[in-house]
Amino acid sequence: NAGVMQNPRHLVRRRGQEARLRCSPMKGHSHVYWYRQLPEEGLKFMVYLQKENIIDESGMPKERFSAEFPKEGPSILRIQQVVRGDSAAYFCASSVPWSGNSYNEQFFGPGTRLTVL
Amino acid sequence: AQKITQTQPGMFVQEKEAVTLDCTYDTSDPSYGLFWYKQPSSGEMIFLIYQGSYDQQNATEGRYSLNFQKARKSANLVISASQLGDSAMYFCAMRGIGSEKLVFGKGTKLTVNP
Repeated sequence: NAGVMQNPRHLVRRRGQEARLRCSPMKGHSHVYWYRQLPEEGLKFMVYLQKENIIDESGMPKERFSAEFPKEGPSILRIQQVVRGDSAAYFCASSVPWSGNSYNEQFFGPGTRLTVL
Repeated sequence: AQKITQTQPGMFVQEKEAVTLDCTYDTSDPSYGLFWYKQPSSGEMIFLIYQGSYDQQNATEGRYSLNFQKARKSANLVISASQLGDSAMYFCAMRGIGSEKLVFGKGTKLTVNP
């Protein structure tokens, strides 16, 4: 049973280019979360998606960032016109639908390390 | 709003000894969950242990235990019999009932010396 998969693992972009990060959740998981980890920091929530729906995007920067989780295929985090400050590790996590218990484990992928030159 | 504070940027421990990593939290939610994750140098996030706010007993998972003091709003991780492979970043996180997002602290870098 494969875990959460993210690709690419490392991505280098020049300022102004677009970055596309992909996340395939674990089998049977319909919820996807994206987190960003800046150097020397903890993870910060960006967005929570279910299939074809954005549920909570309170952590997403207002401009240049977007996320989707289509009916078919992986979830995509898209960063347009990247800047140096976007350099970070981006983690995807997935879970089964929340059943009302605070313990609803999120399984993390290995992350994508984005470097903006 | 929820907040996690980890006041120890770095900790050192001798192999085979126990170590406690501190975590305090702040929330107005009546019910919440607390999590610890390990991040080795390879970068992945590894779930270690969970404590629910209404759990009567402190959580334990193998060599990991959680010293949960609700009145003090602390959820310290205790690692017994440290091993060299325990050297990593450790993150405390929480989530409130009805919220799907995890809130993380800044982490503690643990170094286990031989």
